[in-house]
Amino acid sequence: QKEVEQNSGPLSVPEGAIASLNCTYSDRGSQSFFWYRQYSGKSPELIMSIYSNGDKEDGRFTAQLNKASQYVSLLIRDSQPSDSATYLCAVPYNQGGKLIFGQGTELSVKP
Amino acid sequence: GAVVSQHPSWVICKSGTSVKIECRSLDFQATTMFWYRQFPKQSLMLMATSNEGSKATYEQGVEKDKFLINHASLTLSTLTVTSAHPEDSSFYICSASLGLGDEQFFGPGTRLTVL
Repeated sequence: QKEVEQNSGPLSVPEGAIASLNCTYSDRGSQSFFWYRQYSGKSPELIMSIYSNGDKEDGRFTAQLNKASQYVSLLIRDSQPSDSATYLCAVPYNQGGKLIFGQGTELSVKP
Repeated sequence: GAVVSQHPSWVICKSGTSVKIECRSLDFQATTMFWYRQFPKQSLMLMATSNEGSKATYEQGVEKDKFLINHASLTLSTLTVTSAHPEDSSFYICSASLGLGDEQFFGPGTRLTVL
């Protein structure tokens, strides 16, 4: 059974701090990794994709991938109250193109 | 790019009626579309995978005769909830991807309330 694990939180950080969200996955053969943000009552929104070991930066977001440790993380710099949401880590399942989602980490950024 | 729309955004219906939800990829052709359901405070639950021109693949426990999926073109998939009951009230979300293993782009969701 392929699994994706996240700390459910809630994770609370003060405004302006760095929020660190972590995800581990069980399938060593996974090649693609995605981070989605879901605001309460809304659908998920893709914020980062990462395919290679190392860091990928996009604005205030940095995704970090370590395939040897089967670990992918998302850093949010200069956290803002508008970043308060649930963050979902997702890994493709080999068959049929499905995504396996983690249970999501709820982030709360306090002003 | 990669915009997915859904219609309607919300619907209220009487128990026993059927409701159709449309999912469209607006600026790309989606080889595969997915239908999810999400209850309040719970995780996304994949209901089925829809490929253009072929029958949908349903997840275990999802009744294919109750949740009818049609994927008539590379830009449109529909989900029909037949004989809806109050327990079918939920947030239904579709997504579309360019190919196997690619990221999925989600529609805004349809909130269904069955009275």
